[in-house]
Amino acid sequence: DAGVIQSPRHEVTEMGQEVTLRCKPISGHNSLFWYRQTMMRGLELLIYFNNNVPIDDSGMPEDRFSAKMPNASFSTLKIQPSEPRDSAVYFCASSLWGPGRGAGELFFGEGSRLTVL
Amino acid sequence: QQQVKQSPQSLIVQKGGISIINCAYENTAFDYFPWYQQFPGKGPALLIAIRPDVSEKKEGRFTISFNKSAKQFSLHIMDSQPGDSATYFCAANTNAGKSTFGDGTTLTVKP
Repeated sequence: DAGVIQSPRHEVTEMGQEVTLRCKPISGHNSLFWYRQTMMRGLELLIYFNNNVPIDDSGMPEDRFSAKMPNASFSTLKIQPSEPRDSAVYFCASSLWGPGRGAGELFFGEGSRLTVL
Repeated sequence: QQQVKQSPQSLIVQKGGISIINCAYENTAFDYFPWYQQFPGKGPALLIAIRPDVSEKKEGRFTISFNKSAKQFSLHIMDSQPGDSATYFCAANTNAGKSTFGDGTTLTVKP
């Protein structure tokens, strides 16, 4: 079975450019999470969706960040305009969530390493 | 406000020794406590998890101890091996589906 698929795996861009990261969750999963990982701040939850609906975006750093989930099999995280401090590894994860059982196990993709020059 | 505090930040253990990583939480709404293992260049992967209705769970060399009254839980790795060298994250989930991670512990097992 395919796991969570993220693209691109590596992105190098210049400050001010738009960056779009993509994620395909595991088929049948109904929760999707975007995390950012840096040495300084560890794993930060940016936003998560249940059944394609954004539930909590309180971790999104600022208005330059936006995320969408147009259907159950695809999500994007967009940064516009990008800044050097956005350099990090961005992980997408999915899980099977249900009332009474919570999120359960998260399945992570291999991440998208973003470098903003 | 950090809701899950993890310690130590780094840990060096000799092969065959016991590795212990501790986490503490504040939010009593958490109802699922997983541990994830991450190797360089990879995403975190679930190692073992526990729900608060049990005090201990063991899977092979890995054990979670859970103290609900103290709001603490820990990971014990018995007979630590060099292949266990990785970064370990504790996490806590709410029933609404949100996962909050600790800061991570970098474990090095020396041969």
